[in-house]
Amino acid sequence: QQQVKQSPQSLIVQKGGISIINCAYENTAFDYFPWYQQFPGKGPALLIAIRPDVSEKKEGRFTISFNKSAKQFSLHIMDSQPGDSATYFCAARAESPSSASKIIFGSGTRLSIRP
Amino acid sequence: EAGVAQSPRYKIIEKRQSVAFWCNPISGHATLYWYQQILGQGPKLLIQFQNNGVVDDSQLPKDRFSAERLKGVDSTLKIQPAKLEDSAVYLCASSSDDTYNEQFFGPGTRLTVL
Repeated sequence: QQQVKQSPQSLIVQKGGISIINCAYENTAFDYFPWYQQFPGKGPALLIAIRPDVSEKKEGRFTISFNKSAKQFSLHIMDSQPGDSATYFCAARAESPSSASKIIFGSGTRLSIRP
Repeated sequence: EAGVAQSPRYKIIEKRQSVAFWCNPISGHATLYWYQQILGQGPKLLIQFQNNGVVDDSQLPKDRFSAERLKGVDSTLKIQPAKLEDSAVYLCASSSDDTYNEQFFGPGTRLTVL
């Protein structure tokens, strides 16, 4: 119930191509869906986020598509660049029993952009 | 603004030894989180503080892990005694109290237990 399932585990895309990472969830109480980007030796950093009342959000080359009925959401990276090579985590926010919200992370996708 | 600071960046210990990690959150952030990130996995929340009170420690192995946040600012996470399976990156994050409380992460401490 509290899991966020992410695929693929790794992805190789040619420079200029579109990178697509998919996530699915079960808990309908999740109310916020962020994506994090993590470079080696660094902590995750918020990339883009969406709320379930919106079907799509775009920021520059990054777009989240959200399908509430299917309980799925995805990250699209247009015109992928070598600098986008990193690990990407989808996540979902849930209210915990103590009334404090917490972020639950997917397992991550290691993205490599080939020059 | 300065980011979340963590130290040490790397630590190697023998099993059954103890270890402590330190975190200094972004100034003014009331909420502080400790995560464990095992290689190839997403971060897993260990404990969450609101100011200096614990609001969620449901996934903290309390027989060996402890954490405190004195004066609602800095925090320390301790493992005693360490096990081989504790080898991971320990991430500290902080957030303000806005509605969607974006979490800002530190660089992490990579712990290797031999």
